[in-house]
Amino acid sequence: AQKVTQAQTEISVVEKEDVTLDCVYETRDTTYYLFWYKQPPSGELVFLIRRNSFDEQNEISGRYSWNFQKSTSSFNFTITASQVVDSAVYFCALSGTNTGNQFYFGTGTSLTVIP
Amino acid sequence: DGGITQSPKYLFRKEGQNVTLSCEQNLNHDAMYWYRQDPGQGLRLIYYSQIVNDFQKGDIAEGYSVSREKKESFPLTVTSAQKNPTAFYLCASSIGGAGVYNEQFFGPGTRLTVL
Repeated sequence: AQKVTQAQTEISVVEKEDVTLDCVYETRDTTYYLFWYKQPPSGELVFLIRRNSFDEQNEISGRYSWNFQKSTSSFNFTITASQVVDSAVYFCALSGTNTGNQFYFGTGTSLTVIP
Repeated sequence: DGGITQSPKYLFRKEGQNVTLSCEQNLNHDAMYWYRQDPGQGLRLIYYSQIVNDFQKGDIAEGYSVSREKKESFPLTVTSAQKNPTAFYLCASSIGGAGVYNEQFFGPGTRLTVL
């Protein structure tokens, strides 16, 4: 079975603080993909990153970085020097070999950055 | 501009009425999806289609129906059989194809309220 857990329901930080959003996944597939999406108040989900199960390199894109660890089945997302515009709901998602490109989403983490 | 459009943005329905939500994409994507989002529950898959004239049920298909007569269009009908239809509905598309794990791109969503 495929499952994604985002245990942090809501997080509040003060602007310029760093924040890490946790994502833990479960899958029996050996080949799978992990994704992060941002949902601002407007509602539309914005794609941030895709990572496949064979690539455990961490990735950095500006103030965003992702830490993928297969040993702990985690794919955590860190925002450095947070800004008010980072306030949104962030979703982690999983797609595996046997899912026909079907995504399994976590319940999301609502991030509020306080100016 | 390439993208996904959903209409209307807000929709009000009386109990017992069927209503159809529109989703159109001009990204030339093969696969299209419908999700339902409720507070605190993340995104749940209603239906998906990987090719024209073919679609599969997702996790919560009861009370919904779809059609895929054209590659660019994937309308969702919320029928009177859906007991609790008030929610935010998101349409997505991806390059798709079996065994292809591409990111999904989302439309702006339709917020349906049953009066």
